[in-house]
Amino acid sequence: NAGVTQTPKFQVLKTGQSMTLQCAQDMNHNSMYWYRQDPGMGLRLIYYSASEGTTDKGEVPNGYNVSRLNKREFSLRLESAAPSQTSVYFCANRPGHQPQHFGDGTRLSIL
Amino acid sequence: KQEVTQIPAALSVPEGENLVLNCSFTDSAIYNLQWFRQDPGKGLTSLLLIQSSQREQTSGRLNASLDKSSGRSTLYIAASQPGDSATYLCAVSSNTGKLIFGQGTTLQVKP
Repeated sequence: NAGVTQTPKFQVLKTGQSMTLQCAQDMNHNSMYWYRQDPGMGLRLIYYSASEGTTDKGEVPNGYNVSRLNKREFSLRLESAAPSQTSVYFCANRPGHQPQHFGDGTRLSIL
Repeated sequence: KQEVTQIPAALSVPEGENLVLNCSFTDSAIYNLQWFRQDPGKGLTSLLLIQSSQREQTSGRLNASLDKSSGRSTLYIAASQPGDSATYLCAVSSNTGKLIFGQGTTLQVKP
């Protein structure tokens, strides 16, 4: 999925620490999304951005903040990590009305 | 609230079998429905996208159908191969591109 790049690929945090998950696209699409994937629960939308400078809450936004300062990047921030935020996080973009392109994910463990 | 359910959660078949994966959704007011494939430790790859006005889409050995009125979609895989082993996810989309995912069906095709 060369079009959407997520960093880091893996991260271990202690409870209460903060961190930012980065997502960058090499395309020029307006819409970008952050999802989390937990065992047995599929993917759930955290936040999305319909265009540069705009963001909206998804299904599970509590404990997260996002930033879309430019068209290329959409970051997800955990201000005070909790064990319940242990998950795999996926970023995606959407080229118009075509299927979303997903990054390879960030695997986050919070101890 | 839209809910998406996939049955079965797991499926094991011998190579060469034709198989059907099921997806149901509670709210028929969808923009489109997508089927994704996810390999272990990887992101999602879009397989087929069916617009709300369409009944089916085909790609190679894959055929997806959509019945909006009954809130159902099926993914048909013909002549299954070991390389088809993966988790298959369906997701319904609003016109903003927000996806609601099912929990997935994990498929194992035995040689």
